[in-house]
Amino acid sequence: DTGVSQDPRHKITKRGQNVTFRCDPISEHNRLYWYRQTLGQGPEFLTYFQNEAQLEKSRLLSDRFSAERPKGSFSTLEIQRTEQGDSAMYLCASSSGQVSPGELFFGEGSRLTVL
Amino acid sequence: TQLLEQSPQFLSIQEGENLTVYCNSSSVFSSLQWYRQEPGEGPVLLVTVVTGGEVKKLKRLTFQFGDARKDSSLHITAAQPGDTGLYLCAGDTNAGGTSYGKLTFGQGTILTVHP
Repeated sequence: DTGVSQDPRHKITKRGQNVTFRCDPISEHNRLYWYRQTLGQGPEFLTYFQNEAQLEKSRLLSDRFSAERPKGSFSTLEIQRTEQGDSAMYLCASSSGQVSPGELFFGEGSRLTVL
Repeated sequence: TQLLEQSPQFLSIQEGENLTVYCNSSSVFSSLQWYRQEPGEGPVLLVTVVTGGEVKKLKRLTFQFGDARKDSSLHITAAQPGDTGLYLCAGDTNAGGTSYGKLTFGQGTILTVHP
């Protein structure tokens, strides 16, 4: 069973460095989502792709953040000039759009620590 | 802004006890999901409720969607240590009648079941 996979699982970086996370969704899923979760909170929506098109971006996604899904399969989330406030778990999820609405399949997340 | 308030935030009980977690909003959702998340992992979908007044049962878990589709509850009967985790409710925003899976999460309820 191939679920949503994310890489790396953990990343520790110094403030000001750039980081990139990768997400491989479930193969037949055309929708891909990025969420961010900080300690003690539920996940917050960042952005959403349908195939290769990025259809919505949250206001949480500042200009230091960029997400791509160039071939409609895997996606990358890059954070430039990281700040300590970027420390969080970055969750990727996918859905087919054919199942009941709102049912997302999440990966295990990429935990970012900015020192 | 659509908000989901979960209560209680923390719940610590003994094995065999019953518990209820509540999820409330002033907004109407097209569907509502309950997820369970373990430390260092992504959320895992437990159930989706769509119809106002709907009740779904999953073994010892009972989920209810309010008549007005603004609130939901999760009831666990005879809790077991394996039920320990973070329980999240999430509402699906409905753009123009077509769901695209952008979820608004509550802040979660941390459940600890002691043997």
